[in-house]
Amino acid sequence: AQKVTQAQTEISVVEKEDVTLDCVYETRDTTYYLFWYKQPPSGELVFLIRRNSFDEQNEISGRYSWNFQKSTSSFNFTITASQVVDSAVYFCALRAQEYGNKLVFGAGTILRVKS
Amino acid sequence: DGGITQSPKYLFRKEGQNVTLSCEQNLNHDAMYWYRQDPGQGLRLIYYSQIVNDFQKGDIAEGYSVSREKKESFPLTVTSAQKNPTAFYLCASSDFHRYTFGSGTRLTVV
Repeated sequence: AQKVTQAQTEISVVEKEDVTLDCVYETRDTTYYLFWYKQPPSGELVFLIRRNSFDEQNEISGRYSWNFQKSTSSFNFTITASQVVDSAVYFCALRAQEYGNKLVFGAGTILRVKS
Repeated sequence: DGGITQSPKYLFRKEGQNVTLSCEQNLNHDAMYWYRQDPGQGLRLIYYSQIVNDFQKGDIAEGYSVSREKKESFPLTVTSAQKNPTAFYLCASSDFHRYTFGSGTRLTVV
């Protein structure tokens, strides 16, 4: 079974549209950490957010917001008023003792924002 | 500025050759990792090391080898036993929660 599932392989939106990237994870641990990374065309992974399993508060950072719901094992990422510079591959990742405390990544979602 | 340096950025390998990818960090992180990225498959863990002179296999270690003789360095060798080595390789280091990634090496078999 997939430990981290990003069901959306690719999303295309027009600039200024809002877009939500889905992430569903699987772990039996009660303590775990969830991450989102952005990978622009240059290739390096840029850290966006880390959330621990005990903090279910939604977080907003500028145009970015994250919705963490333990009941559905989801950690979705929303970009408001998307911009062309948001075009990238976005990865959701999980760190749990069940998986050796190493980062386990989803397959990634390619986001294309057109002007 | 602290960070991770991967070299080279692009690497071409002939069939049957071993090649070594370099990864150096000056973040004083104990743990280092090698990931392989293929289109549509996300990042898969090849090897990781949590301390000097110790390393463990990840999910796809076959055909790869590593060493960790210094805290700062974690080179990855892609051996001739790796049948499909063309991919993007990312190195990372961490101090438990904070992960830092290099800019990657794109390896192509010619």
